[in-house]
Amino acid sequence: AQSVAQPEDQVNVAEGNPLTVKCTYSVSGNPYLFWYVQYPNRGLQFLLKYITGDNLVKGSYGFEAEFNKSQTSFHLKKPSALVSDSALYFCAVRDYSGGSYIPTFGRGTSLIVHP
Amino acid sequence: NAGVTQTPKFQVLKTGQSMTLQCAQDMNHNSMYWYRQDPGMGLRLIYYSASEGTTDKGEVPNGYNVSRLNKREFSLRLESAAPSQTSVYFCASSEATVPETQYFGPGTRLLVL
Repeated sequence: AQSVAQPEDQVNVAEGNPLTVKCTYSVSGNPYLFWYVQYPNRGLQFLLKYITGDNLVKGSYGFEAEFNKSQTSFHLKKPSALVSDSALYFCAVRDYSGGSYIPTFGRGTSLIVHP
Repeated sequence: NAGVTQTPKFQVLKTGQSMTLQCAQDMNHNSMYWYRQDPGMGLRLIYYSASEGTTDKGEVPNGYNVSRLNKREFSLRLESAAPSQTSVYFCASSEATVPETQYFGPGTRLLVL
């Protein structure tokens, strides 16, 4: 079975500082990994995904994520946070090796960027 | 291109009432999904349709039914609403189930009294 964990319910960071939103996963085979962002009263929007290849994935709005197979992690990062980055962030995993190809979502991490 | 649209945006039901949530996508996607979002629970899959003519249960299907009316439309029906079904419901679509990006609608906020 596949699972994903976002260990922090909330992350607080000052504007201009780097930010990290953590995600760890568990799959039986190779993972497909995704990050989505949800702004208030909106649906989720795709940020980036890892399928294969370079472990550092760049996505929308200056976000990037690093795939670490040994630590089974896929943390979301941004070098300099903006107040407008404040939102709910979801990590999702799909198991490449078989079974269900439907993604499992984490519980979400609320990112608050303070001016 | 409207993407994924959902109706209604907000609904209040009394326990035992029925309703259908509508979802449509204009991206010619094969796969469509219904999720519910509850505080602290993240997104949980209710049903999905890998392609036109097929539907499958997700993690939390009890109390719901779905219809893939055509390639564009995927509806979710609550036959007898319960307060536990108070939630925000999101429809999503993707080109295929493997391993494509999902596109989400704006959501339907449902309150069951």
